[in-house]
Amino acid sequence: NAGVMQNPRHLVRRRGQEARLRCSPMKGHSHVYWYRQLPEEGLKFMVYLQKENIIDESGMPKERFSAEFPKEGPSILRIQQVVRGDSAAYFCASSPAARDSYEQYFGPGTRLTVT
Amino acid sequence: AQSVTQLDSQVPVFEEAPVELRCNYSSSVSVYLFWYVQYPNQGLQLLLKYLSGSTLVKGINGFEAEFNKSQTSFHLRKPSVHISDTAEYFCAVSSFSGGYNKLIFGAGTRLAVHP
Repeated sequence: NAGVMQNPRHLVRRRGQEARLRCSPMKGHSHVYWYRQLPEEGLKFMVYLQKENIIDESGMPKERFSAEFPKEGPSILRIQQVVRGDSAAYFCASSPAARDSYEQYFGPGTRLTVT
Repeated sequence: AQSVTQLDSQVPVFEEAPVELRCNYSSSVSVYLFWYVQYPNQGLQLLLKYLSGSTLVKGINGFEAEFNKSQTSFHLRKPSVHISDTAEYFCAVSSFSGGYNKLIFGAGTRLAVHP
C-alpha cells in the first residue's frame, strides 16, 4: 500500500511565478490536510479538504493561496505570485475518515524555494 | 485555544545515554497526544500516540512517553539512544472539534546524538 505521495519534492520559483504542489493521499483515504513548515519552526495547519469540499481553511493566508481536492486526481495547493516568504516545506497528510482524522499519515513534503 | 510547548529547542546527548524530550500542552478539552520524528529532508513519521487508557505509551524504535494530565505534559523518553536517533522530534495535540481533528504542533526539538 503506497503511502502519501507528494510532487514535486523540490520546487524553485522566481518571485511572481505560480507554484503548484500536488498530493495523492493513501489508497482509501478521502481526507487531506496541508501543513506548512517554515525554517526552524514546527508545522502549521493550513487547510483540510474532503473530496470536492474545503472543510476548514482557517490556516490559509487570505490572498494568493488556494487548495482543491477534486473528485478525480490529487489535491492541489496553489500559490500565486510567490514571494520569498513563501519559501518553506509544505506537507500533506491524509486520513481515512473524519472520525479517524487523528490518525494522519504524512507525505515526504515539497520544499519550495523562491528566488 | 490549544497550544504545544516543547521546552528544549536542541538536546545534545552521547550515544547510549538516556534522553528525555519535554512537551507541555494546553487545552480545555480532552485531547489526543502524539510524537512525530522527522529525519533530514523527509516527512514526519509517527513515533507514538496517546488516545486513552494507560498513561505510559510505548512506540517504535524503543521510545516511550508518559501522559500526565495534572501537569499537562507528554514527555518522550528513551533509555539508550543511538546515532541513528539524530533527528527533529515534534510533539502534537489534537481534539475532535467541528467533526474532525486538527493537529497542533510544537516548534520541535532537535536531538543530536554524539559518539
